[in-house]
Amino acid sequence: TQLLEQSPQFLSIQEGENLTVYCNSSSVFSSLQWYRQEPGEGPVLLVTVVTGGEVKKLKRLTFQFGDARKDSSLHITAAQPGDTGLYLCAGLQGGSEKLVFGKGTKLTVNP
Amino acid sequence: KAGVTQTPRYLIKTRGQQVTLSCSPISGHRSVSWYQQTPGQGLQFLFEYFSETQRNKGNFPGRFSGRQFSNSRSEMNVSTLELGDSALYLCASSLSTPGRYNSYEQYFGPGTRLTVT
Repeated sequence: TQLLEQSPQFLSIQEGENLTVYCNSSSVFSSLQWYRQEPGEGPVLLVTVVTGGEVKKLKRLTFQFGDARKDSSLHITAAQPGDTGLYLCAGLQGGSEKLVFGKGTKLTVNP
Repeated sequence: KAGVTQTPRYLIKTRGQQVTLSCSPISGHRSVSWYQQTPGQGLQFLFEYFSETQRNKGNFPGRFSGRQFSNSRSEMNVSTLELGDSALYLCASSLSTPGRYNSYEQYFGPGTRLTVT
């Protein structure tokens, strides 16, 4: 059983569309991170959210941490081909002090 | 500041052999973690080292081991390779270890692509 479930698994959209990807769990996390990974490279940290209900914006990307700190979402406005990649969420478990990753959402933005 | 480097980038080994992968963290980072990434399982935590001590370990068999040197550089070793060990092995460094008041942001290297035939 995956501790962090990401949905959808795959997403293919046209340039200019909006999209939301989700990261859900039944566990509480002390913080949650979002990464983007491009083919042949390691994941790159986009944002860290720490407080329940927190919303962070990074240009066209909006990240939200659920009130109960069990889930998160990433919303992209007016997607561009450069947004193409694998989006990974990772939660820090307070008890075990381990970072647990979801399997990711593979996003393709077509020009 | 230079990023995390991993060597080699690609490796092809046969079953039964062993392999050693190397990771140099960002200067000043003392925590190094290793992950295995496969299409089916995603990113799975192998182990974390801090100040030459293994602080945390994932659910992998004893064939997977690692160590960290005094300059924070780290190596991981896989003995008696199996076909299922084919994966992208990622190393990540962090300023410190995970904790309640530390969000533990990881900086990843490009990975070593291991193929076992």
